[in-house]
Amino acid sequence: GQSLEQPSEVTAVEGAIVQINCTYQTSGFYGLSWYQQHDGGAPTFLSYNALDGLEETGRFSSFLSRSDSYGYLLLQELQMKDSASYFCAPPGADSWGKLQFGAGTQVVVTP
Amino acid sequence: DTEVTQTPKHLVMGMTNKKSLKCEQHMGHRAMYWYKQKAKKPPELMFVYSYEKLSINESVPSRFSPECPNSSLLNLHLHALQPEDSALYLCASSQESPNSYEQYFGPGTRLTVT
Repeated sequence: GQSLEQPSEVTAVEGAIVQINCTYQTSGFYGLSWYQQHDGGAPTFLSYNALDGLEETGRFSSFLSRSDSYGYLLLQELQMKDSASYFCAPPGADSWGKLQFGAGTQVVVTP
Repeated sequence: DTEVTQTPKHLVMGMTNKKSLKCEQHMGHRAMYWYKQKAKKPPELMFVYSYEKLSINESVPSRFSPECPNSSLLNLHLHALQPEDSALYLCASSQESPNSYEQYFGPGTRLTVT
C-alpha cells in the first residue's frame, strides 16, 4: 500500500514564504509531482522532482529527499493569487501510468 | 495549443438518464485520463487510456463507461447514476503514461445527479 501526508491548511500573509511538506510511503517510487488547484479550477502542474535536491521555477521551488521519503514545495514572495490547494502526487506509485494525489494543502494568503 | 477542453461544463441528470461527457486535446498526447473529484478532496483516478487502449480501470462501477474513439478524444458515458456520483469530472492528458507526472487537465464537468 501507500500513504501520502501533507498539512491540511497553511495561512500566511502576502510577501511571506510558505513550505508545504509531503511525506510518503509507497511500494514503488519514481519521483514527486506538485499541482496547484484554485477553487473551481482545474489542477495545474507546478513541478516534478525525479532526483534528490531542489528544483526552482520562479517563486516556487520543490525539494525531494528519497532517503527520508520526504519532499516539500516552497512558495516565496506570496501573492493573493497563490491562495489555492496544493497537492503532492507521486506518479506510478502503485502502477505505471497512475498519478496518486495527496489530500491537499489549502494555502490561504491574507493581506 | 496546451489546452484540454471538456463539454459540457455543467450537467444535471436524473438517475434514469443516459449522458456523455466529452474531452478533447490537440497536443499529440497519447495518454488520457478520467478523474472524479468531490468538494475539498483530491482528484481520484478512474480510468487511464494509453495509445487509445484502456490500461487502468480503478474498479469503477459499470454505470461509468469510458471510450477513446481516437488519440484526441475521450468520452465518458453515464447511465443509471446515483446521487453520490455528483462531482467534478476531470479529464487530463500527458505525453504517454510513463510520463504521467506532468498531466494537463481540462476545466472539468460539474455533474449533479438528481
